[in-house]
Amino acid sequence: EPEVTQTPSHQVTQMGQEVILRCVPISNHLYFYWYRQILGQKVEFLVSFYNNEISEKSEIFDDQFSVERPDGSNFTLKIRSTKLEDSAMYFCASIGTGRSPLHFGNGTRLTVT
Amino acid sequence: DAKTTQPPSMDCAEGRAANLPCNHSTISGNEYVYWYRQIHSQGPQYIIHGLKNNETNEMASLIITEDRKSSTLILPHATLRDTAVYYCIVRPPMEYGNKLVFGAGTILRVKS
Repeated sequence: EPEVTQTPSHQVTQMGQEVILRCVPISNHLYFYWYRQILGQKVEFLVSFYNNEISEKSEIFDDQFSVERPDGSNFTLKIRSTKLEDSAMYFCASIGTGRSPLHFGNGTRLTVT
Repeated sequence: DAKTTQPPSMDCAEGRAANLPCNHSTISGNEYVYWYRQIHSQGPQYIIHGLKNNETNEMASLIITEDRKSSTLILPHATLRDTAVYYCIVRPPMEYGNKLVFGAGTILRVKS
């Protein structure tokens, strides 16, 4: 069964550094999402992306965050200057056409020191 | 999005059916009920969804009341690997590209 894949599985970075989290959505899917989950808290929506532009974003997704689909297969989340509070699991998700469900990757654990 | 109410936690004996309830009294006519689960900080995993009729797949069954104000997810023979957080979410069909909004869910502990 096709999967959403995310790399790396764990990333450690210093405060103030830029990080790029990478995702390969399921082939032929059209909508892409990023979510995050701070340890012990709910899964929170960050942003959705369709037709090469952001379709919706949450209050969390401020100017420090950006998303890109640089080619036909990858979908990236960039954090320009990481803060301690950005430490979390980041999940990518995608959905195709029809009434199929949203499929999630297994996440990238970001640790900001 | 309509809101859902789930018990914070439940226990179930291994091999028995796990019945997870969800209240969604403000659900709209075009909103589906989706169930996901999250095993130990892995990505949320889709289980099942439905609109009005009861649904069954290889993982679970979904029973939706006639007035659609509540539903029950049934895992027919729970195993230790079913220990997870289970999320009940209501939203319009995925084809409209709308996001899922996760609540706190129900922590299901399957015990031997």
